Amino acid sequence: DIQLTQSPSFLSASVGDRVTITCRASQGISSYLAWYQQKPGNAPKLLIYAASTLQSGVPSRFSGSGSGTEFTLTISSLQAEDFATYYCQLLNFFPRTFGQGTKLEIK
Amino acid sequence: QVQVVESGGGVVQPGGSLRLSCAASGFTFSRSGMHWVRQAPGKGLEWVAFIRYEGHNKFYADSVKGRFTISRDNSKNTLYLQLSSLRPEDTAVYYCAKEEEYSSYYSYYYIDVWGKGTMVTVSS
Repeated sequence: DIQLTQSPSFLSASVGDRVTITCRASQGISSYLAWYQQKPGNAPKLLIYAASTLQSGVPSRFSGSGSGTEFTLTISSLQAEDFATYYCQLLNFFPRTFGQGTKLEIK
Repeated sequence: QVQVVESGGGVVQPGGSLRLSCAASGFTFSRSGMHWVRQAPGKGLEWVAFIRYEGHNKFYADSVKGRFTISRDNSKNTLYLQLSSLRPEDTAVYYCAKEEEYSSYYSYYYIDVWGKGTMVTVSS
């Protein structure tokens, strides 16, 4: 099975900061990766699929990049509503593994 | 609008069974692959199972294989997850989720719609 490892697990930042979250795959997965945002008590929300394609309605401050084994989610200028937990997920292959999550907290 | 709504969660004893349902609306259910994903209290997301649109091809996480069964009734726009031989570690919020396909040079299959989830607690 393909494993996804996110780093860091916890991230403390301020409004206006630029932040980057990394997701590493245990083997090459081309661009078969998605990113989700989850706020406490809510279901996850799709942000990005195919590694870099922004889901409709998601603010342009979110961007994704990478292919193969290393991927990044970048928030260009943090807003108050962005403090949440972020997950990467493998696409197309089974099991559809998730990364362990990155909790983004207010500094 | 496009939505999926889970039901059927509750408290069950270890070794017991439960059937979760997911009612879909606002999209062509019979053309969509569907997933179950769970989240234990305070933990991350865990993919559980997937069923293709036609209902014949199914995939499971190793942690539930042989104990859980995913199925669907396209005439009722409903997805199911039969949980059997339940263990305390199966305690979680169970989310129903719709798969979408994006095709460019390659095809990408991702989850674009999630339900609010239904809580399953396995405890004596």
